[in-house]
Amino acid sequence: GAGVSQTPSNKVTEKGKYVELRCDPISGHTALYWYRQSLGQGPEFLIYFQGTGAADDSGLPNDRFFAVRPEGSVSTLKIQRTERGDSAVYLCASSLNPTSGGASINEQFFGPGTRLTVL
Amino acid sequence: DQQVKQNSPSLSVQEGRISILNCDYTNSMFDYFLWYKKYPAEGPTFLISISSIKDKNEDGRFTVFLNKSAKHLSLHIVPSQPGDSAVYFCAASAQGAGSYQLTFGKGTKLSVIP
Repeated sequence: GAGVSQTPSNKVTEKGKYVELRCDPISGHTALYWYRQSLGQGPEFLIYFQGTGAADDSGLPNDRFFAVRPEGSVSTLKIQRTERGDSAVYLCASSLNPTSGGASINEQFFGPGTRLTVL
Repeated sequence: DQQVKQNSPSLSVQEGRISILNCDYTNSMFDYFLWYKKYPAEGPTFLISISSIKDKNEDGRFTVFLNKSAKHLSLHIVPSQPGDSAVYFCAASAQGAGSYQLTFGKGTKLSVIP
């Protein structure tokens, strides 16, 4: 079946602009996660959705970052007033409901990422 | 402060030999651990996981060992193949505490030499 897809694959923008990054999770996965990966680092957690609600947004760096998942499937990560330090690969992952119990439920499957470059 | 550490940025192994990738963690709340493999320009691919109630999990050529007292885990690949060349990330979560976010190490680049 189809994996996690993300669009666009690359986004170049100018400092101060607004960007939206889209994620389509695996069908049937109720949990969706956003991470970002800077050069030479591992992915860093941003936000986790269970269904339509943000269950954990503790990783969002500041209020310029916002994410939505209005119908419990596709999610959009929104960044306002972009800064050069926002340049990174933004990764989306999905999983079955991790609160259902069972360790394997939290196996997160990642998309290919969106490479964001802020000039 | 890094809660998940992969102290070896790179590792080279001859084809057919064993590859051992190491990972240390500091957060005693972590109870679920995963290994991911990443090729350039692709997202991380799930490889194998282990719950803190186990000390070993095996899947084909891949085995993960967990030593909770030492807060250490390792991934063994036997035999190593050139297609295994990639960056390997160790990740952990504290599911028992209701936290499902993954905390990743910085990765180890494995090169398998034919």
